[in-house]
Amino acid sequence: EVQLVESGGGLIQPGGSLRLSCEVSGLAVNSIYMSWLRQAPGKGLEWVSVIYSGGKTYYGDSVKGRFTISRDNSKNTVYLQMNSLRAEDTAVYYCARDLAEASGNWFDPWGQGTLVIVSS
Amino acid sequence: ETVLTQSPATLSVSPGERATLSCRASQTVGSGLAWYQQKPGQAPRLLIYDVSTRATGIPARFSGSGSGTDFTLTISSLQSEDFAVYYCQQWRTFGGGTKVEIK
Repeated sequence: EVQLVESGGGLIQPGGSLRLSCEVSGLAVNSIYMSWLRQAPGKGLEWVSVIYSGGKTYYGDSVKGRFTISRDNSKNTVYLQMNSLRAEDTAVYYCARDLAEASGNWFDPWGQGTLVIVSS
Repeated sequence: ETVLTQSPATLSVSPGERATLSCRASQTVGSGLAWYQQKPGQAPRLLIYDVSTRATGIPARFSGSGSGTDFTLTISSLQSEDFAVYYCQQWRTFGGGTKVEIK
């Protein structure tokens, strides 16, 4: 069974940086696609970033140039480095396994989420 | 980029009744559409992928259908644990969600 545990959230001032971690168990992190998604308070779901098994990375337009996804195979952990944080980045951040096929993709399972609050 | 529009925003249903949720895409999306359930304070849970395939452990009362731009999630007989918010998703895009509440 694949399990995901996020950590690293907290209160950060605008313009600051934070690194989120997603520890994966049950599968080697370099054998799967992993995504970060987020949900602002009372809002819907937004995809943030993905890292493919081969190492390629992609980002949503709202975080491009500010966020960086990476992984440490020895720790079986995926990271999201968030720089130049803005109030609108306030959200619960989830990591999820990203299962892709030619026709589309889906996210399963999801971690429990970690809350990031950007405020002065 | 495809936009997914879910309707209605809120659906009031009595336990035991049937619920029909709609997801409309701004362009043809093929078969790669998924549905998720989210309860308050919890992470989303995958219900359906590839339009109509139930994820592991999902009860048979949940079914997905549709093609092209119009997709439907049907809950045949609502149980108390089914009152939640439901999202459709295609590639990196999510719909705005439908809240299923107790009537």
